[in-house]
Amino acid sequence: GENVEQHPSTLSVQEGDSAVIKCTYSDSASNYFPWYKQELGKRPQLIIDIRSNVGEKKDQRIAVTLNKTAKHFSLHITETQPEDSAVYFCAASKGGNKLTFGTGTQLKVEL
Amino acid sequence: GAVVSQHPSWVICKSGTSVKIECRSLDFQATTMFWYRQFPKQSLMLMATSNEGSKATYEQGVEKDKFLINHASLTLSTLTVTSAHPEDSSFYICSARAHSNTGELFFGEGSRLTVL
Repeated sequence: GENVEQHPSTLSVQEGDSAVIKCTYSDSASNYFPWYKQELGKRPQLIIDIRSNVGEKKDQRIAVTLNKTAKHFSLHITETQPEDSAVYFCAASKGGNKLTFGTGTQLKVEL
Repeated sequence: GAVVSQHPSWVICKSGTSVKIECRSLDFQATTMFWYRQFPKQSLMLMATSNEGSKATYEQGVEKDKFLINHASLTLSTLTVTSAHPEDSSFYICSARAHSNTGELFFGEGSRLTVL
Protein backbone atom coordinates (compact mmCIF):
# COMPACT_ATOMS: atom_id res chain seq x y z
CA GLY A 1 0.00 0.00 0.00
CA GLU A 2 0.88 3.67 -0.06
CA ASN A 3 3.45 5.03 2.38
CA VAL A 4 3.81 8.76 2.95
CA GLU A 5 6.76 10.24 4.81
CA GLN A 6 6.82 13.82 6.05
CA HIS A 7 9.60 16.10 7.27
CA PRO A 8 10.31 17.88 9.49
CA SER A 9 8.24 16.75 12.44
CA THR A 10 8.56 20.16 14.06
CA LEU A 11 9.31 23.52 12.50
CA SER A 12 9.77 26.81 14.22
CA VAL A 13 9.99 30.05 12.20
CA GLN A 14 9.91 33.74 12.91
CA GLU A 15 6.83 35.68 11.89
CA GLY A 16 7.20 36.84 8.32
CA ASP A 17 9.61 34.08 7.33
CA SER A 18 8.75 31.22 5.01
CA ALA A 19 8.06 27.64 6.02
CA VAL A 20 8.58 24.55 3.88
CA ILE A 21 7.31 21.06 4.63
CA LYS A 22 8.25 18.11 2.47
CA CYS A 23 6.62 14.76 1.78
CA THR A 24 7.48 11.69 -0.23
CA TYR A 25 5.17 8.94 -1.36
CA SER A 26 5.77 5.40 -2.49
CA ASP A 27 2.95 4.53 -4.89
CA SER A 28 3.59 5.97 -8.35
CA ALA A 29 -0.12 5.51 -9.15
CA SER A 30 -1.13 8.12 -6.55
CA ASN A 31 -2.53 11.18 -8.28
CA TYR A 32 -4.09 13.37 -5.61
CA PHE A 33 -2.07 15.18 -2.94
CA PRO A 34 -3.86 17.35 -0.39
CA TRP A 35 -2.48 19.29 2.55
CA TYR A 36 -4.43 19.64 5.77
CA LYS A 37 -4.09 22.00 8.70
CA GLN A 38 -5.22 20.73 12.07
CA GLU A 39 -5.55 22.82 15.18
CA LEU A 40 -5.55 21.13 18.57
CA GLY A 41 -8.69 19.07 19.11
CA LYS A 42 -10.20 20.13 15.80
CA ARG A 43 -10.88 18.40 12.53
CA PRO A 44 -8.32 18.60 9.68
CA GLN A 45 -9.04 21.43 7.27
CA LEU A 46 -8.00 21.24 3.62
CA ILE A 47 -5.75 24.17 2.78
CA ILE A 48 -4.56 23.26 -0.70
CA ASP A 49 -4.34 20.25 -2.96
CA ILE A 50 -2.65 19.28 -6.20
CA ARG A 51 -3.23 16.63 -8.80
CA SER A 52 -0.60 14.71 -10.71
CA ASN A 53 -1.22 16.57 -13.95
CA VAL A 54 0.00 19.81 -12.36
CA GLY A 55 3.49 20.68 -11.11
CA GLU A 56 2.66 23.66 -8.95
CA LYS A 57 -0.35 25.37 -7.45
CA LYS A 58 -0.59 28.58 -5.48
CA ASP A 59 -3.25 30.18 -3.33
CA GLN A 60 -2.22 33.50 -1.82
CA ARG A 61 0.53 32.73 0.75
CA ILE A 62 0.34 28.98 0.25
CA ALA A 63 1.84 26.97 -2.58
CA VAL A 64 2.39 23.32 -3.29
CA THR A 65 4.87 21.76 -5.70
CA LEU A 66 4.85 18.23 -7.02
CA ASN A 67 7.67 16.22 -8.55
CA LYS A 68 6.13 13.03 -9.93
CA THR A 69 9.43 11.59 -11.06
CA ALA A 70 10.94 11.85 -7.60
CA LYS A 71 7.62 11.16 -5.92
CA HIS A 72 7.76 14.08 -3.58
CA PHE A 73 5.68 17.18 -2.96
CA SER A 74 6.14 20.20 -0.77
CA LEU A 75 4.10 22.84 1.00
CA HIS A 76 5.37 26.40 1.03
CA ILE A 77 3.95 29.06 3.31
CA THR A 78 5.25 32.58 2.83
CA GLU A 79 4.98 35.57 5.16
CA THR A 80 4.04 33.32 8.04
CA GLN A 81 1.72 34.63 10.74
CA PRO A 82 1.05 33.39 14.30
CA GLU A 83 -2.30 31.99 13.18
CA ASP A 84 -0.44 29.66 10.83
CA SER A 85 0.74 27.76 13.91
CA ALA A 86 -0.82 24.29 13.78
CA VAL A 87 -0.08 20.73 12.72
CA TYR A 88 0.11 20.21 8.98
CA PHE A 89 -0.45 16.86 7.30
CA CYS A 90 0.29 15.87 3.74
CA ALA A 91 -1.59 12.99 2.17
CA ALA A 92 -1.79 10.94 -1.00
CA SER A 93 -4.40 8.87 -2.77
CA LYS A 94 -5.33 7.34 -6.07
CA GLY A 95 -8.44 9.05 -7.36
CA GLY A 96 -11.38 8.38 -5.09
CA ASN A 97 -9.62 5.78 -3.00
CA LYS A 98 -8.51 6.03 0.60
CA LEU A 99 -6.21 8.82 1.71
CA THR A 100 -2.90 7.98 3.36
CA PHE A 101 -1.55 10.67 5.66
CA GLY A 102 1.97 11.71 6.46
CA THR A 103 3.20 11.83 10.05
CA GLY A 104 2.51 15.53 10.49
CA THR A 105 4.55 18.69 11.08
CA GLN A 106 4.06 20.90 14.11
CA LEU A 107 4.59 24.43 12.83
CA LYS A 108 5.19 27.18 15.34
CA VAL A 109 5.35 30.77 14.18
CA GLU A 110 7.07 32.91 16.75
CA LEU A 111 6.61 36.66 17.19
CA GLY B 1 -17.85 22.90 0.93
CA ALA B 2 -19.76 19.77 1.93
CA VAL B 3 -20.63 19.25 5.58
CA VAL B 4 -19.95 16.13 7.61
CA SER B 5 -21.28 16.00 11.14
CA GLN B 6 -20.13 13.62 13.84
CA HIS B 7 -21.75 12.80 17.17
CA PRO B 8 -20.94 12.71 20.01
CA SER B 9 -18.01 15.10 20.08
CA TRP B 10 -16.75 13.52 23.28
CA VAL B 11 -17.69 10.52 25.37
CA ILE B 12 -16.45 8.90 28.55
CA CYS B 13 -17.28 5.28 29.24
CA LYS B 14 -16.31 2.47 31.54
CA SER B 15 -14.15 -0.45 30.46
CA GLY B 16 -16.17 -3.25 28.95
CA THR B 17 -18.99 -1.10 27.65
CA SER B 18 -19.74 -0.25 24.02
CA VAL B 19 -19.84 3.17 22.44
CA LYS B 20 -21.47 4.21 19.18
CA ILE B 21 -20.28 7.15 17.10
CA GLU B 22 -22.37 8.54 14.27
CA CYS B 23 -21.15 10.21 11.11
CA ARG B 24 -23.58 12.02 8.86
CA SER B 25 -23.19 13.76 5.53
CA LEU B 26 -25.60 16.68 5.83
CA ASP B 27 -25.85 18.06 2.32
CA PHE B 28 -24.67 15.27 0.08
CA GLN B 29 -24.90 11.53 -0.32
CA ALA B 30 -21.84 9.51 0.53
CA THR B 31 -21.59 5.96 -0.76
CA THR B 32 -18.23 5.71 0.95
CA MET B 33 -17.09 7.03 4.31
CA PHE B 34 -13.74 6.59 5.99
CA TRP B 35 -13.04 6.13 9.69
CA TYR B 36 -9.74 7.36 11.09
CA ARG B 37 -8.22 7.14 14.54
CA GLN B 38 -5.75 9.67 15.87
CA PHE B 39 -3.73 9.24 19.04
CA PRO B 40 -2.27 12.34 20.73
CA LYS B 41 0.42 14.03 18.66
CA GLN B 42 0.18 11.38 15.97
CA SER B 43 -1.15 11.16 12.46
CA LEU B 44 -4.55 10.04 11.24
CA MET B 45 -4.58 6.29 10.74
CA LEU B 46 -7.24 4.80 8.52
CA MET B 47 -9.23 2.13 10.33
CA ALA B 48 -11.77 1.15 7.74
CA THR B 49 -13.67 2.16 4.65
CA SER B 50 -17.43 2.15 5.13
CA ASN B 51 -19.48 1.23 2.08
CA GLU B 52 -23.20 1.90 1.90
CA GLY B 53 -25.18 -1.31 1.76
CA SER B 54 -22.20 -3.64 2.10
CA LYS B 55 -19.56 -4.73 4.56
CA ALA B 56 -16.83 -2.35 5.58
CA THR B 57 -13.26 -2.88 4.45
CA TYR B 58 -10.88 -2.91 7.40
CA GLU B 59 -7.22 -1.98 7.36
CA GLN B 60 -4.64 -4.50 8.43
CA GLY B 61 -4.44 -4.81 12.19
CA VAL B 62 -7.91 -3.38 12.87
CA GLU B 63 -10.25 -5.86 14.55
CA LYS B 64 -13.54 -5.90 12.71
CA ASP B 65 -15.34 -7.55 15.59
CA LYS B 66 -14.22 -4.84 17.96
CA PHE B 67 -14.87 -1.86 15.70
CA LEU B 68 -18.26 -2.49 14.15
CA ILE B 69 -19.14 -0.31 11.21
CA ASN B 70 -22.60 0.06 9.74
CA HIS B 71 -23.40 2.16 6.69
CA ALA B 72 -27.11 1.64 6.29
CA SER B 73 -27.93 4.78 4.34
CA LEU B 74 -26.25 7.20 1.96
CA THR B 75 -25.95 9.80 4.71
CA LEU B 76 -25.10 7.83 7.84
CA SER B 77 -22.28 5.60 8.95
CA THR B 78 -21.79 4.42 12.51
CA LEU B 79 -18.74 3.12 14.34
CA THR B 80 -19.31 1.05 17.47
CA VAL B 81 -16.38 0.38 19.75
CA THR B 82 -17.30 -2.84 21.53
CA SER B 83 -15.99 -3.91 24.93
CA ALA B 84 -13.95 -0.74 25.15
CA HIS B 85 -10.63 -0.69 26.99
CA PRO B 86 -8.45 2.24 28.07
CA GLU B 87 -6.15 1.66 25.10
CA ASP B 88 -9.11 2.42 22.81
CA SER B 89 -9.13 5.98 24.13
CA SER B 90 -8.47 8.15 21.10
CA PHE B 91 -9.83 10.76 18.72
CA TYR B 92 -12.03 9.10 16.10
CA ILE B 93 -12.74 11.06 12.92
CA CYS B 94 -14.94 10.16 10.01
CA SER B 95 -14.73 11.58 6.52
CA ALA B 96 -16.53 11.38 3.22
CA ARG B 97 -16.21 12.49 -0.35
CA ALA B 98 -18.96 14.56 -1.89
CA HIS B 99 -17.92 13.52 -5.38
CA SER B 100 -16.36 10.15 -6.05
CA ASN B 101 -13.69 11.35 -8.43
CA THR B 102 -12.54 14.68 -7.02
CA GLY B 103 -10.56 13.23 -4.17
CA GLU B 104 -11.31 15.94 -1.61
CA LEU B 105 -12.30 14.54 1.75
CA PHE B 106 -14.56 16.37 4.17
CA PHE B 107 -14.07 15.54 7.83
CA GLY B 108 -16.44 15.36 10.73
CA GLU B 109 -15.68 17.24 13.92
CA GLY B 110 -14.19 14.15 15.54
CA SER B 111 -15.18 12.21 18.65
CA ARG B 112 -12.92 12.12 21.67
CA LEU B 113 -13.34 8.76 23.42
CA THR B 114 -12.03 8.24 26.93
CA VAL B 115 -12.33 4.77 28.43
CA LEU B 116 -11.92 4.60 32.18
